[in-house]
Amino acid sequence: DMKVTQMPRYLIKRMGENVLLECGQDMSHETMYWYRQDPGLGLQLIYISYDVDSNSEGDIPKGYRVSRKKREHFSLILDSAKTNQTSVYFCASSLRQRQNTLYFGAGTRLSVL
Amino acid sequence: GMPVEQNPPALSLYEGADSGLRCNFSTTMKSVQWFQQNHRGRLITLFYLAQGTKENGRLKSTFNSKERYSTLHIKDAQLEDSGTYFCAAEDTNAYKVIFGKGTHLHVLP
Repeated sequence: DMKVTQMPRYLIKRMGENVLLECGQDMSHETMYWYRQDPGLGLQLIYISYDVDSNSEGDIPKGYRVSRKKREHFSLILDSAKTNQTSVYFCASSLRQRQNTLYFGAGTRLSVL
Repeated sequence: GMPVEQNPPALSLYEGADSGLRCNFSTTMKSVQWFQQNHRGRLITLFYLAQGTKENGRLKSTFNSKERYSTLHIKDAQLEDSGTYFCAAEDTNAYKVIFGKGTHLHVLP
């Protein structure tokens, strides 16, 4: 069963704390993505990873960094979280970068107080 | 304008009705995907199209790259079809997937 797993599902942090969002996939997909979803804005791409240690900024990378040390894992890190980073974060993967279906995780709801 | 424009922003229809959602693109896109986001927030892949038309049960989607649009038709709407539908198109030149803002669909009993 093809799956993208996100942990944790819910997270509450205080402003200035560090945040680590984890994503795993069991499909040996090359490409992985981090999006955030805010009301009225749809999904915005934060970072894309083409493979291990091959990451590229998306449309809104500021305030975020990523790590991909194994093909099946892609982490999103917020160093010193801000209140405007309160959002729902989605991880996705696709077999390759181009012309491939995106598979999404269930999302992580992050609240920064 | 927006690279991916979805219409309508919101739609209500009764059970059993048919309806269509549309995405217009400001530039030539290489492919399109349609997703349903259910009441739990989960994004479910409905279709991936590089061209032409695909059908799956009560759903049918068409992508016309040259005319810069894609449609999603829902036949015989059911309560569980309620949710937000997103189209996401792959930009030919920028090598990235761009999402529309979604259509909120409410199916009424």
